[in-house]
Amino acid sequence: DAGITQSPRHKVTETGTPVTLRCHQTENHRYMYWYRQDPGHGLRLIHYSYGVKDTDKGEVSDGYSVSRSKTEDFLLTLESATSSQTSVYFCAISESPGTSRYNEQFFGPGTRLTVL
Amino acid sequence: AQTVTQSQPEMSVQEAETVTLSCTYDTSESDYYLFWYKQPPSRQMILVIRQEAYKQQNATENRFSVNFQKAAKSFSLKISDSQLGDAAMYFCDRTGNTPLVFGKGTRLSVIA
Repeated sequence: DAGITQSPRHKVTETGTPVTLRCHQTENHRYMYWYRQDPGHGLRLIHYSYGVKDTDKGEVSDGYSVSRSKTEDFLLTLESATSSQTSVYFCAISESPGTSRYNEQFFGPGTRLTVL
Repeated sequence: AQTVTQSQPEMSVQEAETVTLSCTYDTSESDYYLFWYKQPPSRQMILVIRQEAYKQQNATENRFSVNFQKAAKSFSLKISDSQLGDAAMYFCDRTGNTPLVFGKGTRLSVIA
């Protein structure tokens, strides 16, 4: 299994509080992604990174920010959590971009976030 | 918009039988890849099979195979000799110059 961990695995927080989720990889892959999974929506891309300090927005980036100061860590921050951000969050990594042969994404175990 | 559509929210299959999950997609790119991922109750996302759009030959992985129709933008997954462990959510995905776009998933039940 690809070495990807997410922390915390579960979190309950209150509306308006800041929340940071961490994704850590030991594979030295260049690309990292944050998705959210909601019933009836599949997985939707929030943000992704194509290198240290290089990030870009995905389909549902509003209300989220990311940072990547080291190859192995990709942080997702909810500056002021809302109930609509209650979801399961997945981190993924890939060696190469989408048009490359080695573009398979490996997923972390997920973080269940509940915003009350 | 680049979209992926899975028209079957739920399906069921008898153990040892064959089932086909449907997927259609929309893209303006000529170079892209298609994937099927499996998500069992453990929530872990597992790659089942991958198809490169420039290859005409359909990908196969043991009991899993695809029917890739590029002109029709169709990418169905066939599971042969279904097993209880195949019960899961299955997601069809496309990636290319834009990052992965997921379908909404098909929940597969396997009946003993």
